[in-house]
Amino acid sequence: QVQLVESGGGVVQPGRSLRLSCAASGFTFNSYGMHWVRQAPGKGLDWVAVISYDGSNKYYADSVKGRFTISRDNSKNTLYLQMNSLRAEDTAVYYCAKVHGDYVTFRYFDYWGQGTLVTVSS
Amino acid sequence: EIVLTQSPGTLSLSPGERATLSCRASQSVSSSLAWYQQKPGQAPRLLIYGASSRATGIPDRFSGSGSGTDFTLTISRLEPEDFAVYYCQQYGSSRALTFGGGTKVEIK
Repeated sequence: QVQLVESGGGVVQPGRSLRLSCAASGFTFNSYGMHWVRQAPGKGLDWVAVISYDGSNKYYADSVKGRFTISRDNSKNTLYLQMNSLRAEDTAVYYCAKVHGDYVTFRYFDYWGQGTLVTVSS
Repeated sequence: EIVLTQSPGTLSLSPGERATLSCRASQSVSSSLAWYQQKPGQAPRLLIYGASSRATGIPDRFSGSGSGTDFTLTISRLEPEDFAVYYCQQYGSSRALTFGGGTKVEIK
């Protein structure tokens, strides 16, 4: 069965960095686009970034462009989100999500991880 | 960026009643719209894709309709487990995804 397990969250000071990971299993990871979506406490869903199945295409929300970098290691079935210059408004639960349909980058999500909480606070 | 506006923000209904949720896009997304259900402490769950196709395992009391800019999620008869927050999401853009702000369906 498909599993997505995020890790790497925690408390970090403003301006510092953090790297999130998402370990995937139960499907052919290198055939699927993958996304990061976040949710601030008590708020709605906020799309963050996407990477194509082979890592050749990456897109970001304007709010994180230039600060966050999405990447993947298909040999390790793992998705990453490098977050630099963190701000208080980046505080959220970060979910990784799998796109439905192979070799597609933008579509709906059929599987989500359980999320990892990032808290940016001094 | 395509903006999705969901209404109402909160829907107060009783079990057995019909729920009608709206999602309006700032520009056409054709039928590239999905609906998700989210319960407290859980990840979202896919309900509807392609504006009107039910995802695997979703009961037929959930239905979606619409195209272009106006979409509707209907829950024909609310069950106790349906009280949750519902989000729409567009995937009609080739460079960014967006979600609506959500509609909370609460027990009246």
